[in-house]
Amino acid sequence: DAGVIQSPRHEVTEMGQEVTLRCKPISGHNSLFWYRQTMMRGLELLIYFNNNVPIDDSGMPEDRFSAKMPNASFSTLKIQPSEPRDSAVYFCASSRGLVTGELFFGEGSRLTVL
Amino acid sequence: KNQVEQSPQSLIILEGKNCTLQCNYTVSPFSNLRWYKQDTGRGPVSLTIMTFSENTKSNGRYTATLDADTKQSSLHITASQLSDSASYICVVTENNAGNMLTFGGGTRLMVKP
Repeated sequence: DAGVIQSPRHEVTEMGQEVTLRCKPISGHNSLFWYRQTMMRGLELLIYFNNNVPIDDSGMPEDRFSAKMPNASFSTLKIQPSEPRDSAVYFCASSRGLVTGELFFGEGSRLTVL
Repeated sequence: KNQVEQSPQSLIILEGKNCTLQCNYTVSPFSNLRWYKQDTGRGPVSLTIMTFSENTKSNGRYTATLDADTKQSSLHITASQLSDSASYICVVTENNAGNMLTFGGGTRLMVKP
């Protein structure tokens, strides 16, 4: 199995630009999570989907952030417009369900907003 | 509010030595507790899961314990190796319809030769 695949691995952009992060979950997993990790705040849940439906987006910082899951094999996290405080590593994770709590994480997308 | 507190925040040990990482939680109702290992620049990977009825579980040189009464868990690493250098994150799952996860802040372990 290829695992959770994220792209890009690194992105450097200027304040005000649109950023789109992409994620392909493990085939057969029906839950998908977007997390943000910083030194100060650790891992924070932004949003999670179950069977392609957003279940909890209370962690999305503000309207500049949006996430979609158009099908079971693809999800995007978009930031528009980006700000320097959005600089972080964004992780996508998938799981077979919510019960066991085991998440399979991608390698992350390191975002730097100048 | 559900919380997971880990200690110490960081730890430096010499190769071959043992160490113990602590995790205290207030998550209720409790479903399970997982320890994840996160290598630098990588995503976290699950090491072990502890359910309510389990006290001790081993995975190679890693041994996790759980005291559900005091809501404490520990991760003991025996005969540390340089490759053990990583962040170790404690994650607790609620036993409810949403099965929400609460993450600890992690312990950064550095093993020196």
